Amino acid sequence: DSGVTQTPKHLITATGQRVTLRCSPRSGDLSVYWYQQSLDQGLQFLIQYYNGEERAKGNILERFSAQQFPDLHSELNLSSLELGDSALYFCASSPRRVNTEAFFGQGTRLTVV
Amino acid sequence: DQQVKQNSPSLSVQEGRISILNCDYTNSMFDYFLWYKKYPAEGPTFLISISSIKDKNEDGRFTVFLNKSAKHLSLHIVPSQPGDSAVYFCAASGAGTASKLTFGTGTRLQVTL
Repeated sequence: DSGVTQTPKHLITATGQRVTLRCSPRSGDLSVYWYQQSLDQGLQFLIQYYNGEERAKGNILERFSAQQFPDLHSELNLSSLELGDSALYFCASSPRRVNTEAFFGQGTRLTVV
Repeated sequence: DQQVKQNSPSLSVQEGRISILNCDYTNSMFDYFLWYKKYPAEGPTFLISISSIKDKNEDGRFTVFLNKSAKHLSLHIVPSQPGDSAVYFCAASGAGTASKLTFGTGTRLQVTL
């Protein structure tokens, strides 16, 4: 158990819909990262928050947005969903800003039908 | 632009032998490198890391080697065990990357009896 909790574990939704994925980081970790893993591909970095502020942005679509709340949990919002958005979405957290390992949650498997 | 590359999608090794997984990177700003292990339906699990000021780091059966001039790192697992069968991801972070981890596409290791 990494200490990072993601909900829900599975999500099936229709095209055009909007979903929210939730992440609770390890106790004390200030950084939260979101990654997307499509079928048989690597982990693509989406976005990072550090202590409530956006810190880095990857190849995140404009239809996607995220935030980190004062209690440090984070939400990833995906809207106008397309079939190609079906993927595993991972959240990770780390204690420091630089040069440290990140601890991953078990992921949310999103299926868009 | 794939800044971290794992050119071998899969590797099969006999139990008890050495497994060597390779990773190349292109971004000279990377100064911290990590290996993660991933089982199906689980999040990646941190294995071992190395800072660019070192060329070797060892933790039990796992050793990571870094060759900065070649921009190459490798993970050695000795001896390999059936429970090591998983997908292994190489990742890198560093100055200018806001500590986000950039992942390779992974190598699937199968340890056979």
